[in-house]
Amino acid sequence: DAGVIQSPRHEVTEMGQEVTLRCKPISGHDYLFWYRQTMMRGLELLIYFNNNVPIDDSGMPEDRFSAKMPNASFSTLKIQPSEPRDSAVYFCASSLARQTYEQYFGPGTRLTVT
Amino acid sequence: GQQVMQIPQYQHVQEGEDFTTYCNSSTTLSNIQWYKQRPGGHPVFLIQLVKSGEVKKQKRLTFQFGEAKKNSSLHITATQTTDVGTYFCAGPKMIKAAGNKLTFGGGTRVLVKP
Repeated sequence: DAGVIQSPRHEVTEMGQEVTLRCKPISGHDYLFWYRQTMMRGLELLIYFNNNVPIDDSGMPEDRFSAKMPNASFSTLKIQPSEPRDSAVYFCASSLARQTYEQYFGPGTRLTVT
Repeated sequence: GQQVMQIPQYQHVQEGEDFTTYCNSSTTLSNIQWYKQRPGGHPVFLIQLVKSGEVKKQKRLTFQFGEAKKNSSLHITATQTTDVGTYFCAGPKMIKAAGNKLTFGGGTRVLVKP
C-alpha cells in the first residue's frame, strides 16, 4: 500500500510568492491533518479535515494560510503571500475513524522562503 | 487547553546504556501514542497504550501508561545507534467533537554516543 504522498518534497521560494503544498492521504482514511514542524515550535497542528470537511483550523497562523480538501484523495495547503518565517517542514498525515487514532505521516515538504 | 509535556528535551546516551523519557498530560487521556522521527524523516507510529497501568514491550523498548492515565514513559535498554531520533508522545482530546485530533508533546531528542 502506498503511504501518504506529499509534493513537492522541497520548495524554495522568494518572499511574497504563493506556495501550494499537496497531499494524497492513504486510501480509505477519513481524517487528514496538516502539521508544521520547526525547531522553535516543534510539531504544530495547523488544520484537520474529516470526510473532506474542515473541523478545526485554529492552528492556522493567519489569513495567509488556507487549506482545502476537494475530495477524499487530495488536499492542498496554500500560503499567499509567503514570508521567511513560514520556512519549516510541513507534514500531512491521515488516519481512520476508529478508537486507535494512530496517524500516518507523509514524508513532508521542506519549505524555504528567502 | 490540553498540554502534553515531555522530559527531557534532549537525551545523550552512551551506546549500550539504558534511559527513560517521560510524558505528562495536563488532562486525562483515553489513550497515549508514541511516535519516532528519525533525523530528516517523518514521525512514525510506534505503539498505543489504552488501559490504566498498561505496559507494552517492543524488543528493547518498554512503554508504560500511568495509573491515572495522565502520564507515560518510554524506557530503552541497551541503546543502539539505530535508536537515534526524536520520540514523541501524543494523546487525543477527550472531547468527542475533536475526533481523531492528537496533541503532541515537544519530543525527546535522543543522541547516541558510540
